[in-house]
Amino acid sequence: DVKVTQSSRYLVKRTGEKVFLECVQDMDHENMFWYRQDPGLGLRLIYFSYDVKMKEKGDIPEGYSVSREKKERFSLILESASTNQTSMYLCASSSTRLAGGADTQYFGPGTRLTVL
Amino acid sequence: QQQVKQSPQSLIVQKGGISIINCAYENTAFDYFPWYQQFPGKGPALLIAIRPDVSEKKEGRFTISFNKSAKQFSLHIMDSQPGDSATYFCAASLSSGSARQLTFGSGTQLTVLP
Repeated sequence: DVKVTQSSRYLVKRTGEKVFLECVQDMDHENMFWYRQDPGLGLRLIYFSYDVKMKEKGDIPEGYSVSREKKERFSLILESASTNQTSMYLCASSSTRLAGGADTQYFGPGTRLTVL
Repeated sequence: QQQVKQSPQSLIVQKGGISIINCAYENTAFDYFPWYQQFPGKGPALLIAIRPDVSEKKEGRFTISFNKSAKQFSLHIMDSQPGDSATYFCAASLSSGSARQLTFGSGTQLTVLP
């Protein structure tokens, strides 16, 4: 079974703090993704990475950055947290090599971040 | 710009009934349409998916109906059970040079009453 783990289930930070969200997958997937989930808005892609040290912006990258130094680990960084970044953050991984390119995404359980 | 529109936002169905969730997309380049199911406290998980070369796909009680000309697709849950109570997301994707990205709908919270 694919396992995607996220470092924290709940996180409370103050405005202006630098926040790191960590994600690790154990299936040697080349693709990793960060989403935020907000009620009524679904899942919105922040950044994704298709290889180590490679990253591409998603639909809402403003205020975020990412780091992928190792294949299994993908970090989301909030340089200066703001209250409008209070949300559920979901990490996912996939492999284009498998399943005929269907790229099923496997999600972690999420980190609920509250910025005060 | 929301490229995948999903309705309804919430749905309440009696046990044994049929649950229907609808999605519409705009980008005709989309070539893969998955549905994800999310239980409280969990991440979404792939439920069923379809490609536009077929009009219907069935897996157990779950069926996707796809209308390419109307750019619409829907999820039907037959004989709905309380255990189906979850949030359902439709999605659409297209193959890009790097990784296949998913564009999600806004989600439908399904409650199946016992």
